[in-house]
Amino acid sequence: GIQVEQSPPDLILQEGANSTLRCNFSDSVNNLQWFHQNPWGQLINLFYIPSGTKQNGRLSATTVATERYSLLYISSSQTTDSGVYFCAGHGSGNTGKLIFGQGTTLQVKP
Amino acid sequence: DTAVSQTPKYLVTQMGNDKSIKCEQNLGHDTMYWYKQDSKKFLKIMFSYNNKELIINETVPNRFSPKSPDKAHLNLHINSLELGDSAVYFCATARGAEAFFGQGTRLTVV
Repeated sequence: GIQVEQSPPDLILQEGANSTLRCNFSDSVNNLQWFHQNPWGQLINLFYIPSGTKQNGRLSATTVATERYSLLYISSSQTTDSGVYFCAGHGSGNTGKLIFGQGTTLQVKP
Repeated sequence: DTAVSQTPKYLVTQMGNDKSIKCEQNLGHDTMYWYKQDSKKFLKIMFSYNNKELIINETVPNRFSPKSPDKAHLNLHINSLELGDSAVYFCATARGAEAFFGQGTRLTVV
């Protein structure tokens, strides 16, 4: 079955709006990370968040490991937030292999 | 200094050629990876090395051969390039469970 699933697949926002991206993950996945792939293709670490809540400026993330989901909140979105947001977690076996979701493509319009 | 750097950033080559992509990290991490991002933006692991030793080979064709001359470098050599090899290739390192990615190499096979 699907190990890491993200929703929504696509999101269009007006600048200044808030949004929530969701990542569901299976029992065989843990140690969640969120990444932002900007329009230039760079993969930027946002949060390493196996559990709990973290905040960094306008972004925050919460992982509820017992319920197998993580949420990424973007507040007061800006055009520079556009790109693809990925969540990824480690598969079983302690190999360090990251299993990625299919991504949420965010477009923030001015 | 860039923590994980890949060269080249772009690579356009003809079918049948052999090419290499280089990756260097200055983070002092023991584990390095190669990931492939296909045209649908899906990211999947190819190889993992820990202290120069191959840990994961994720059923990648034999035409792909990783080489780790030392802990700071993990290069990817590809023989007899095929059209289907066109993708973005990412090098990554890990500190514990947290991964850090290079800027990617966009390979186009024509």
